Amino acid sequence: QSVLTQPPSVSGAPGQRVTISCTGSSSNIGAGYDVHWYQQPPGSAPKLLIYGSENRPSGVPDRFSGSKSGTSASLAISGLQAEDEADYYCQSYDSQPHDNSRSGSVFGEGTKLTVL
Amino acid sequence: QVQIVQSGAEVKKPGASVKVSCKASGYTFTNYAIHWVRQAPGQRLEWMGWIDAGHGDTKHSQRFQGRVTITRDTSANTAYMELSSLRSEDTAMYYCARGSYYDSSGYYFDLWGRGTLVTVSS
Repeated sequence: QSVLTQPPSVSGAPGQRVTISCTGSSSNIGAGYDVHWYQQPPGSAPKLLIYGSENRPSGVPDRFSGSKSGTSASLAISGLQAEDEADYYCQSYDSQPHDNSRSGSVFGEGTKLTVL
Repeated sequence: QVQIVQSGAEVKKPGASVKVSCKASGYTFTNYAIHWVRQAPGQRLEWMGWIDAGHGDTKHSQRFQGRVTITRDTSANTAYMELSSLRSEDTAMYYCARGSYYDSSGYYFDLWGRGTLVTVSS
């Protein structure tokens, strides 16, 4: 299955804004499938941050926002805080219509956010 | 309280099988899917497969073709993932997550278990 491409790392100072990109292809994001984002602090399970490309579950601060365009999506984090230091993953659906056994959910490679 | 509780860590020898359980509570188990995701040490998340907890339909990643079996027991609100013919590369944290279907775009995972560490070593 295809893998979604993310930068290995990003960093920013407290209070700054950072963005994390997620680049897919015509079989996933480019086919119109939405992107979901997860935050995984060190040693913890992932937590849903954004669903449907731009929607925040209740309890997620509005400092986190998502967008999607073409074959890519982005997660933006404004007003960086020390507690935001974690790994971030995008996720979407990959469709292989000629071989449905190859279709399914796919994750990005993950991006490590360091708060300086 | 809405939560998912997974079974404890396992140590297995190469060639053996492991069965991990995932017990849901605080919501209607049969209204959602349960997905399995694994993460090898220092690696990214990898989707393994899912089960419709209501109908019992399953689908798994082709990477695990013939090795993974996902089942559920609705009377116990529990899903299971069995992985056979284990090899050292299967050493990983195995997570189950509740899947919510979104707008013809597949699933997102809105509730996660804490993970079950499976170590494969001779």
